[in-house]
Amino acid sequence: DGGITQSPKYLFRKEGQNVTLSCEQNLNHDAMYWYRQDPGQGLRLIYYSQIVNDFQKGDIAEGYSVSREKKESFPLTVTSAQKNPTAFYLCASSIGTALNSPLHFGNGTRLTVT
Amino acid sequence: KQEVTQIPAALSVPEGENLVLNCSFTDSAIYNLQWFRQDPGKGLTSLLLIQSSQREQTSGRLNASLDKSSGRSTLYIAASQPGDSATYLCAVTDNQGGKLIFGQGTELSVKP
Repeated sequence: DGGITQSPKYLFRKEGQNVTLSCEQNLNHDAMYWYRQDPGQGLRLIYYSQIVNDFQKGDIAEGYSVSREKKESFPLTVTSAQKNPTAFYLCASSIGTALNSPLHFGNGTRLTVT
Repeated sequence: KQEVTQIPAALSVPEGENLVLNCSFTDSAIYNLQWFRQDPGKGLTSLLLIQSSQREQTSGRLNASLDKSSGRSTLYIAASQPGDSATYLCAVTDNQGGKLIFGQGTELSVKP
């Protein structure tokens, strides 16, 4: 079955540690995205990538970093510089850009930092 | 700056009712609008995508309409079922960089 796999489902870290969230897709999609979801708020875009080895900052990129070395993979690192990292993180992909194709989402990773 | 609003934040209806979820946006210069469903602790599933040139899209018991000039979209669910219970989010794609801007969602509960 084609889809997007995010791992792990739950992640716990101590404050001051960097942590990397995994996102893998086998849909052969060019574009990939990372969103953050907080209770009572809509999704906010962290980073997106439209092609391998290229990515752009979204609306809330501070304290996060990404890489896109392979088409299938778009890992997100939450660094110690992110002031409020506890949240639900969602990865998505699309065939083309969001201009003309629907997004497909993974099941998310819930990160708790204490 | 584009803002997307969904009202109400939560809605509870008895099974079998037809219902309408609302989405409004402040800037009519959008490329498309999407409706998503999110089950608790899960990712989002795309339900319907309406291009800016379209007025509505239908899929099964779901019908989404778009009125760009007034900055509104509605998601109509016919003959609601308990399995429809979920959070429904709308998102618009802006004309600039093609980014999606999401509303906060409406949490729907359909009671048997």
